[in-house]
Amino acid sequence: ETGVTQSPTHLIKTRGQQVTLRCSSQSGHNTVSWYQQALGQGPQFIFQYYREEENGRGNFPPRFSGLQFPNYSSELNVNALELDDSALYLCASSGGGADTQYFGPGTRLTVL
Amino acid sequence: QKEVEQDPGPLSVPEGAIVSLNCTYSNSAFQYFMWYRQYSRKGPELLMYTYSSGNKEDGRFTAQVDKSSKYISLFIRDSQPSDSATYLCAMSGAQKLVFGQGTRLTINP
Repeated sequence: ETGVTQSPTHLIKTRGQQVTLRCSSQSGHNTVSWYQQALGQGPQFIFQYYREEENGRGNFPPRFSGLQFPNYSSELNVNALELDDSALYLCASSGGGADTQYFGPGTRLTVL
Repeated sequence: QKEVEQDPGPLSVPEGAIVSLNCTYSNSAFQYFMWYRQYSRKGPELLMYTYSSGNKEDGRFTAQVDKSSKYISLFIRDSQPSDSATYLCAMSGAQKLVFGQGTRLTINP
């Protein structure tokens, strides 16, 4: 059974640029959730995708957007990057609803 | 007030000690309670998952939930240096997980 994978591992961008992060869900899981984890903080919920539709969103501006594909993999897109967007971005997959969420290793984004 | 409060520590104990980690929460809609372990620069790893009040044991780990007090705990027995990590409590009522800040734990040999 393949776990949750994310790419890239880390990247560096400059303020104002756009970034796309990718996530492959665990085999058999149809739901993907994205979280932002600032240094020294717990993860904060960005949004969740279930069967290619957004299924809940946290307190993040519209420049954070996402997609889910028919194979349940997902992308997180962030436009007009700001310095405060520097964080570890985590993807978690689950079987839906209140099912347990399993996390990937994360993508560390640095915005200069 | 944050929905979930967790003492960030850091907490440092000698090898073999019993460790107690705690979280309090304010949202009575939370039904599912989890503890994750996160090593430096890695993703969170699920340790314990519980539903409803009571205790759940898995090896050296025991999770305790008291819904009436809105209080959850994780106990680690016979702590090992490999247990050194950040421990995150998390809870949910629907889609999203709400996390505590995380407690940094160091087990000294």
